[in-house]
Amino acid sequence: SQKIEQNSEALNIQEGKTATLTCNYTNYSPAYLQWYRQDPGRGPVFLLLIRENEKEKRKERLKVTFDTTLKQSLFHITASQPADSATYLCALGGHSGAGSYQLTFGKGTKLSVIP
Amino acid sequence: DAGVTQSPTHLIKTRGQHVTLRCSPISGHKSVSWYQQVLGQGPQFIFQYYEKEERGRGNFPDRFSARQFPNYSSELNVNALLLGDSALYLCASTPWATDTQYFGPGTRLTVL
Repeated sequence: SQKIEQNSEALNIQEGKTATLTCNYTNYSPAYLQWYRQDPGRGPVFLLLIRENEKEKRKERLKVTFDTTLKQSLFHITASQPADSATYLCALGGHSGAGSYQLTFGKGTKLSVIP
Repeated sequence: DAGVTQSPTHLIKTRGQHVTLRCSPISGHKSVSWYQQVLGQGPQFIFQYYEKEERGRGNFPDRFSARQFPNYSSELNVNALLLGDSALYLCASTPWATDTQYFGPGTRLTVL
């Protein structure tokens, strides 16, 4: 069965450093991979999407890489700030078309940025 | 533009009861998906509807059902509630020809 693992349940990092979160998957050939941020008691917020034929995507202080051979994605937050503290979710999606948008999520990594 | 809205925000039910959760997608979005998120876990896919038709169903029992209305809003129904149904229920809408999902704030269901 499909399995998604996010490297750790919790990650503590000093303000200003780069946070790196890992997402590994097995028994899956996703068309794309997404990263979401979720604050306590709230719905996930979309951050970045990277497709199977892309190696890297950037958005402001965020960078995501996607290695379909290793079946792994890395999510980086540079110059981290306390406001970046949240749970980050990795989600895989199949091939869209005919309105199919099912996402399979990992458990998430809780990031704490320490001032 | 208003985001995805869900009602109610919180709900407390007892075992065996029935519950209806509601979702209004972002204007112009025709696809709605439902997810269940148990504490400490990632969201788990329940249903997806597009143009009022079911396009996908996750591994949930028949006690779970949903429908989408002509205005693209949606309802999730759960019958014969169990303690294990306690979770945050999330609704997400998606614009056509994109893969980004926009989530609502969720409905926190507690089953006693």
